[in-house]
Amino acid sequence: DVKVTQSSRYLVKRTGEKVFLECVQDMDHENMFWYRQDPGLGLRLIYFSYDVKMKEKGDIPEGYSVSREKKERFSLILESASTNQTSMYLCASSLGGSGKSTEAFFGQGTRLTVV
Amino acid sequence: GNSVTQMEGPVTLSEEAFLTINCTYTATGYPSLFWYVQYPGEGLQLLLKATKADDKGSNKGFEATYRKETTSFHLEKGSVQVSDSAVYFCAHMDTGRRALTFGSGTRLQVQP
Repeated sequence: DVKVTQSSRYLVKRTGEKVFLECVQDMDHENMFWYRQDPGLGLRLIYFSYDVKMKEKGDIPEGYSVSREKKERFSLILESASTNQTSMYLCASSLGGSGKSTEAFFGQGTRLTVV
Repeated sequence: GNSVTQMEGPVTLSEEAFLTINCTYTATGYPSLFWYVQYPGEGLQLLLKATKADDKGSNKGFEATYRKETTSFHLEKGSVQVSDSAVYFCAHMDTGRRALTFGSGTRLQVQP
């Protein structure tokens, strides 16, 4: 089974802190994604990566950056956390290519609270 | 542009009732369509998918048909169970894209 593992289920951080959310997948997938999930808004794409060191902005990249130094690991970075970044963060991975109907596999999510 | 619109919830049904959750989409190409389900406290998992017009995806008693003429992919189940209580997300992946575009999600509550 494909496994996508997010390092924390719950995090509480202070405003202005630098926050790292880590995600690891074990199936050699090319694509990795970070979404945030908010009530009534569904999932919104923050960033994705289609290869090591490659990244593309999603729909809401402001206030975030990402890092992919190894194929299996994709990190989301909040440079200076703010209260409006309190949310559920979901990492996902998929096999590769564009426009293919490949399934995306999701981690359990990290619920981040910024106080 | 690309977007997915699904009916707002929560949808509350009694056990063994018929379920429909509406989903429509806009896309620039010929997207693949998906339904994902999120059970309480868990991440999303794929429920079913369809990759071209008139395809029907099915799994666990759920079905959805890719209707290009109405740009829709409505989710149906003939007889829901309490264990189907979850949030359901419609999504698409347009031609040439790598990421899914999701709808806002519909919470389903099934009462015994």
